[in-house]
Formats: sequence, structure tokens, C-alpha cells
Amino acid sequence: IAGITQAPTSQILAAGRRMTLRCTQDMRHNAMYWYRQDLGLGLRLIHYSNTAGTTGKGEVPDGYSVSRANTDDFPLTLASAVPSQTSVYFCASRGQGRNTEAFFGQGTRLTVV
Amino acid sequence: GENVEQHPSTLSVQEGDSAVIKCTYSDSASNYFPWYKQELGKGPQLIIDIRSNVGEKKDQRIAVTLNKTAKHFSLHITETQPEDSAVYFCAASIPPTGNQFYFGTGTSLTVIP
Repeated sequence: IAGITQAPTSQILAAGRRMTLRCTQDMRHNAMYWYRQDLGLGLRLIHYSNTAGTTGKGEVPDGYSVSRANTDDFPLTLASAVPSQTSVYFCASRGQGRNTEAFFGQGTRLTVV
Repeated sequence: GENVEQHPSTLSVQEGDSAVIKCTYSDSASNYFPWYKQELGKGPQLIIDIRSNVGEKKDQRIAVTLNKTAKHFSLHITETQPEDSAVYFCAASIPPTGNQFYFGTGTSLTVIP
């Protein structure tokens, strides 16, 4: 079944540790995104990529980095996790054209202790 | 960038009644307005969208209206059912950087049987 997959589904991480959240899509979508979801704040964009080889900063990029080596994969890295990065992280992808649907993964629940 | 505000943050209705969720946006250049439904433990899924050249769109029990002059758009759910209980997000997208969505903070809808 075509779609977008995130891993892991949940993780407890010690503060100061490095962590990479994985995201893979098989829909050949050009654009991919990482959002964090926090209660009362909705979905906030962390980083995005309009096409393979390019990335951009979203609304809350500090403490996070991304790479887009190919069309399918868009990993999100926390270089040194802090408790304020405890959140649910969603990866999404979107096809060609501006007015098209974005598809979301099932989310990664990250707890930094 | 765009600023999307969403109200109310929580909404409870009796089964069979209608539910209305309202959003405003700040950038008059926004031209695509999707609505997403998020069920517990899952990623958001598109339920309906509207483009700026259309004032209203309907899909069975769900309808969306757009007022470009006032810069607001609304989601209407009629004959609500318990399975409509979820968190709903509105979003806006701006050309030419239309690949990015700006989300509202979400509305938690509870349909009481």
C-alpha cells in the first residue's frame, strides 16, 4: 500500500543524546515536511524540502536538522535532545502542484527525559 | 508569513446536531484551504479542501465556505455522528511558496451520543 511511513512510533530519549527520526514515502512526492504537534499549539513546521537535494527552515527549526539525499527519504535529526523537544512528530509529503493534498505519517511520539 | 487562527478550541455537540469550526487567515495571497481530521493516535487526514476561486464546496455531510474579502473560511458538519469526534485542523497555503501549509491550532470535536 502506497503511503508515508515513520519510525520509530515512539521513543524515550535521555537529554543530550542524538536521535534521528526516519520518514519514507513511496508516492514519488517532491515536497516533504516535518511538523511537531504540541497541545494547544497545533502543527508547527520544523523543516521542509521542496525537492530532493534542497531543504528549508520552517517555523521552529532550532535544534533540528534534516537532509534530503533522495526523493523517498527525509530524516529529522536532533543533535542533542532537550526536554522541550518532547512532542509528537509528523512527517508529511505532497505531490506536484500547489493545491494538492498533503499526506501524513502516523507520527513519532518522542519523550526527552 | 501567514497566520491562521482557529476557533473554537473545543466543541461538544449532540449527535445529529451541526458543528461549525471557523478559521481566519492573514495573507490575502493564500489560495488553497484544506481541512484535516485527526483521530486519536493517527496522523491528520484530508477531509475537504477549497480553492480561492470557489466560495463553497460540499461533500455529503461536510461543507466548507470561503469568504476571501473577510479572509475567513469555515467547516460545517451536519447530522453529526459519534465517529465525527476528532481533532480538526484548518490550513492555508500561499503561492508561489505554495508547498508550505500554515495550520490553525486545532478544534477538538466531541459528538455526544
